[in-house]
Amino acid sequence: ETGVTQSPTHLIKTRGQQVTLRCSSQSGHNTVSWYQQALGQGPQFIFQYYREEENGRGNFPPRFSGLQFPNYSSELNVNALELDDSALYLCASSWGQGVEQYFGPGTRLTVT
Amino acid sequence: QQQVKQSPQSLIVQKGGISIINCAYENTAFDYFPWYQQFPGKGPALLIAIRPDVSEKKEGRFTISFNKSAKQFSLHIMDSQPGDSATYFCAATPRGSYIPTFGRGTSLIVHP
Repeated sequence: ETGVTQSPTHLIKTRGQQVTLRCSSQSGHNTVSWYQQALGQGPQFIFQYYREEENGRGNFPPRFSGLQFPNYSSELNVNALELDDSALYLCASSWGQGVEQYFGPGTRLTVT
Repeated sequence: QQQVKQSPQSLIVQKGGISIINCAYENTAFDYFPWYQQFPGKGPALLIAIRPDVSEKKEGRFTISFNKSAKQFSLHIMDSQPGDSATYFCAATPRGSYIPTFGRGTSLIVHP
């Protein structure tokens, strides 16, 4: 069984730039959720993708967007990066809209 | 508004001791309560979870105690080991939802 994988591991961007983060779900899982984890905080829900459609969104602005592909992998896109976007971005997969979510190792984004 | 309050923020325990982390919630619609373990540079890993129809769940050295009337739940780590040193997050998910609200985390250090 393959776990959740994310790429890249680390990323440094400049304020105003755009970034794309990628996630491959655990085998057998068809739902992907994205979270932002600021330093010293718990993960905050950004949005979830199920059957290639956004299926719920947390309190994040529209410049945070995503995609899910037919193989259930997903992308998180962030436009017009701000300094406060610096965080660990986590992807979690699950079966359907189940509550048991399995997290990937995350992508550490630094915005300078 | 912090819907899930976690304490303590940090905890130091001697090897072989009992580690206890507490969480309190406000939303009575929560009906799934997982605990996650996160090592530095890694994503959170689902450790153990409970639903409010039981007051206790045990898996190996890890036990969740749940008090529905007090709206509190806690994680007990028996015979704590240095390898248990990590950050622990409690979370709560509302009935009919898949979006967890996380606590702020507890940094556990187990001294040899």
